[in-house]
Amino acid sequence: DVKVTQSSRYLVKRTGEKVFLECVQDMDHENMFWYRQDPGLGLRLIYFSYDVKMKEKGDIPEGYSVSREKKERFSLILESASTNQTSMYLCASSWGGSSYNSPLHFGNGTRLTVT
Amino acid sequence: AQSVSQHNHHVILSEAASLELGCNYSYGGTVNLFWYVQYPGQHLQLLLKYFSGDPLVKGIKGFEAEFIKSKFSFNLRKPSVQWSDTAEYFCAVNANTGRRALTFGSGTRLQVQP
Repeated sequence: DVKVTQSSRYLVKRTGEKVFLECVQDMDHENMFWYRQDPGLGLRLIYFSYDVKMKEKGDIPEGYSVSREKKERFSLILESASTNQTSMYLCASSWGGSSYNSPLHFGNGTRLTVT
Repeated sequence: AQSVSQHNHHVILSEAASLELGCNYSYGGTVNLFWYVQYPGQHLQLLLKYFSGDPLVKGIKGFEAEFIKSKFSFNLRKPSVQWSDTAEYFCAVNANTGRRALTFGSGTRLQVQP
């Protein structure tokens, strides 16, 4: 069974801090994604990556960056955390190849609070 | 850009009632459609998916969805809900535009009362 592991379940950070959210998958998936989940807004795509060192902006990339140095690991970076980045962050992965439509496998999420 | 609308934000049903959750998408070309479910305290998981072929697709736990191209809809149905179906349900679309990421709707919170 695919496992997507997010390093922290809960995080509390101060405004202006640099924050790293880590995600690891164990199924050799090409694609990895970062979404944020907010009540009433559903899931919004921040960034995704379809290969090592490759990244593409999603719908709400402002204030975030990502890093994918190894296939199994995809990091989300908040360069200078702000209170409006308080949210649940979800990492997901999927098989790539020629299919753009493999189901996503999600981690349990990281609930980030910025004070 | 592709978008997904889920008009029912919060639905409350009694056990054994029938369920239909609406999902509409905005793209006019070929689409791939998904329903995901998030049970309380758990991660999101795939409920069912439609890529092509029979527009009525069946998923896990007795759920099904019907793709109606003319209505740009992919509604989720279950004939008789159980208390254990209490969860948040998300519709998602990939419009085959080359973007390898799903666009999700805002979600519908389903509460089933015993």
